[in-house]
Parts: sequence; structure tokens; C-alpha cells
Amino acid sequence: GAVVSQHPSWVICKSGTSVKIECRSLDFQATTMFWYRQFPKQSLMLMATSNEGSKATYEQGVEKDKFLINHASLTLSTLTVTSAHPEDSSFYICSASVGGAYNEQFFGPGTRLTVL
Amino acid sequence: AQSVTQLDSHVSVSEGTPVLLRCNYSSSYSPSLFWYVQHPNKGLQLLLKYTSAATLVKGINGFEAEFKKSETSFHLTKPSAHMSDAAEYFCVVRVNKLIFGAGTRLAVHP
Repeated sequence: GAVVSQHPSWVICKSGTSVKIECRSLDFQATTMFWYRQFPKQSLMLMATSNEGSKATYEQGVEKDKFLINHASLTLSTLTVTSAHPEDSSFYICSASVGGAYNEQFFGPGTRLTVL
Repeated sequence: AQSVTQLDSHVSVSEGTPVLLRCNYSSSYSPSLFWYVQHPNKGLQLLLKYTSAATLVKGINGFEAEFKKSETSFHLTKPSAHMSDAAEYFCVVRVNKLIFGAGTRLAVHP
């Protein structure tokens, strides 16, 4: 139980295009989903927290207009990287929990984004 | 400010020998601490967590960690490494969000 999937697992796009990444909780309803970014050989950094039906809360320094997050249902959240540039290339990981940051988070396998 | 420092970026052990992955934390409050493991192409998996109960915490797959407040440490140990333990390990402190250490890559040699 408590499986979280991400799609796609990897994506390559041209600079200036937008890319959408999906995060799904497969066997539970996630009231809260989180998006993290992991640079090569570095740690995970929280980008934003989203609650179903509400606007996402972004961490300091994360551009909300560049990283659009939608959490339209209890099983799906999407991250759209708009007008992607090479510096946006990274590993994006989502997690989901029932009830917020103080409850256990279940992590997806991640999405590798490469912007050419 | 809350933070975690993983003292080793890489650890290499032989199969069947003990594993020690070191973590120090900084927290103004009584912290909640976690260890996660990341295998390639799989989501991070929770190994164990400390939330102010017993200081010696047992987790899955034979791992355990001891919370030492005087040393601000939360080192992860396993008595005997298995090949399947090779992965990236993250020490994490929770405030109102999860704060990850830089990670330790564990290699296990036959």
C-alpha cells in the first residue's frame, strides 16, 4: 500500500517549451502533496506544498509562475515547468501524505528533466 | 535554524560487515528525525523515525539508529550489510517540513 507514481519517469525538452509532470497516489487519498527538486549529488529541496483544492504554498526562492502546481483531486497533482531552460534540468520528486507535513510522506520514484 | 549534516558522502563496506552512516542535526526544538533510503528508479522509503520516544529506534531491514541529544547525533547502523543495502541514504529532520541531509551513498562489496 501507499504507492505514489510519477509520469513521465524522464523527459527531454527544448529550451522555451513547457513540461508537465504528474504525481498520483495509487491506493490512498492524499490531502497534501509535496514537490521536491534534487540536483545531482545533492539533497532534496522542498519546492512547494499543495493541499487538494487549494493554491500551492511555495518555498522561498521558488518562482510560482515558473513552476505551476495543480492539485485538483485527492489522487493527482501536477507540476508544470513553464518556459523551461537548461538550468531547470533536475530530478523532480513528489510525495503525498494524508493530513499534511506532520504525517508520513510517501515518495514517488522521481522524474528526470533534461532541457536542451 | 534546523539542519542535518551527513558526515560521509560515500561509505563502502564488505558484505556481512557492519554499516555505520553518520548524521548530526541542529535543531532549536526537540526534533523529529528520520532515515530514508533511495534505490535507483524507486521512491524514497522510510527506514525509521525518532519522535521523542525511545532513543534507540529499530527500523526495517535490520537497520537501527540511536538518538543522542548530548552529541546531537542520529547515526544509522546495521550489524551485517547485504548486497541489497547498496543505495543512497538520507538523514532528515522535520520541523514544519522535511529537511534533508546531503545523502550518503552506501556501496556493498562481495
